[in-house]
Amino acid sequence: DADVTQTPRNRITKTGKRIMLECSQTKGHDRMYWYRQDPGLGLRLIYYSFDVKDINKGEISDGYSVSRQAQAKFSLSLESAIPNQTALYFCATSDRTFREQYFGPGTRLTVT
Amino acid sequence: AQSVTQLGSHVSVSEGALVLLRCNYSSSVPPYLFWYVQYPNQGLQLLLKYTSAATLVKGINGFEAEFKKSETSFHLTKPSAHMSDAAEYFCAVSSFGNEKLTFGTGTRLTIIP
Repeated sequence: DADVTQTPRNRITKTGKRIMLECSQTKGHDRMYWYRQDPGLGLRLIYYSFDVKDINKGEISDGYSVSRQAQAKFSLSLESAIPNQTALYFCATSDRTFREQYFGPGTRLTVT
Repeated sequence: AQSVTQLGSHVSVSEGALVLLRCNYSSSVPPYLFWYVQYPNQGLQLLLKYTSAATLVKGINGFEAEFKKSETSFHLTKPSAHMSDAAEYFCAVSSFGNEKLTFGTGTRLTIIP
């Protein structure tokens, strides 16, 4: 089984809809991250969490919110989706030594 | 502040030829440096990392990278390209006290048969 899972893998939604992307990990890591990937822009950090009670904004948090339900679960919400939020979204985890991050398979989100 | 610049958004090499993907970083403190690979429709997989030990770092699939502080570079190389190396490659930087990864914009590697 994969160490970092994301659901759904693909989603098409309409402008104005609320959508939640979920991430679960079995690596036992404290730190979790949400990124979005756009062609030519690389990966940009949306939110990150160093433990259940610690949530921090990344460089592009506007229009997004997160919830850290447990050490193993970190959800990303789009309260009112807009077309420029169409992207590939990745969840990642790392341990406290932060020597590397482990990525999920990604969620491809299309907002029409 | 930290940043990464990857020179060349697309690189094409012939099968069996040398692969060289360029990465330059900016960091006000000693950096940790990473190369990740993304195959089509997959997440990112760590190829190799530099965390202040040996400057020549060997990774998976025959890749290696050399940390050159004087040139602020961490270029990725492989002596002989294989068709399976076709993917997108990302360089990333973090540092002690700034434990977030900053990614470059990526280099798409195409292998010509």
